[in-house]
Amino acid sequence: KQEVTQIPAALSVPEGENLVLNCSFTDSAIYNLQWFRQDPGKGLTSLLLIQSSQREQTSGRLNASLDKSSGRSTLYIAASQPGDSATYLCAVRTSNDYKLSFGAGTTVTVRA
Amino acid sequence: SAVISQKPSRDICQRGTSLTIQCQVDSQVTMMFWYRQQPGQSLTLIATANQGSEATYESGFVIDKFPISRPNLTFSTLTVSNMSPEDSSIYLCSAGTGGETQYFGPGTRLLVL
Repeated sequence: KQEVTQIPAALSVPEGENLVLNCSFTDSAIYNLQWFRQDPGKGLTSLLLIQSSQREQTSGRLNASLDKSSGRSTLYIAASQPGDSATYLCAVRTSNDYKLSFGAGTTVTVRA
Repeated sequence: SAVISQKPSRDICQRGTSLTIQCQVDSQVTMMFWYRQQPGQSLTLIATANQGSEATYESGFVIDKFPISRPNLTFSTLTVSNMSPEDSSIYLCSAGTGGETQYFGPGTRLLVL
């Protein structure tokens, strides 16, 4: 069974600082890995998806890397803003049936 | 992409009662899923909603407790039966369109007293 761990559980930084969020998974035979954002009282918004054959994906200030052999992914958020405050979830798809295994998330607070 | 809506957005229920949650997608999708997010925890997959047939449940979840319907390619319901306070959670519907990204609804926040 795929186990997904996210460290740290919570992070508080001043505005402008770069954010580094970590995700590890136990089964390296993954199909893809997805990073989501969850705002309080709201659903999940997909941020980035990395295929198993890719090493990284970028979207604006967000960059996600994937090291499948070591079972790790890192989400970098450059020049953080108060609007980046949210919980960030890492989800791994292990098989071809769309099922996702989620980490517990990292709750980010960016102080103005 | 797919836009997913859920009804109700939140509810407070008495123990022993049942609640049916609706999930509507704005386009036909291949796969639909139901997840549970208990307070302070991450998402756990309850079941895959199969169009026109019985849902496929994950370990620890049973049809009698969480009956699911999916009559067509854009709609599904999840019923939480004979509720107890331990069922207090956020219930989320998700869908895959055949591409890689999975889309999520806004969730239904359930409090059982």
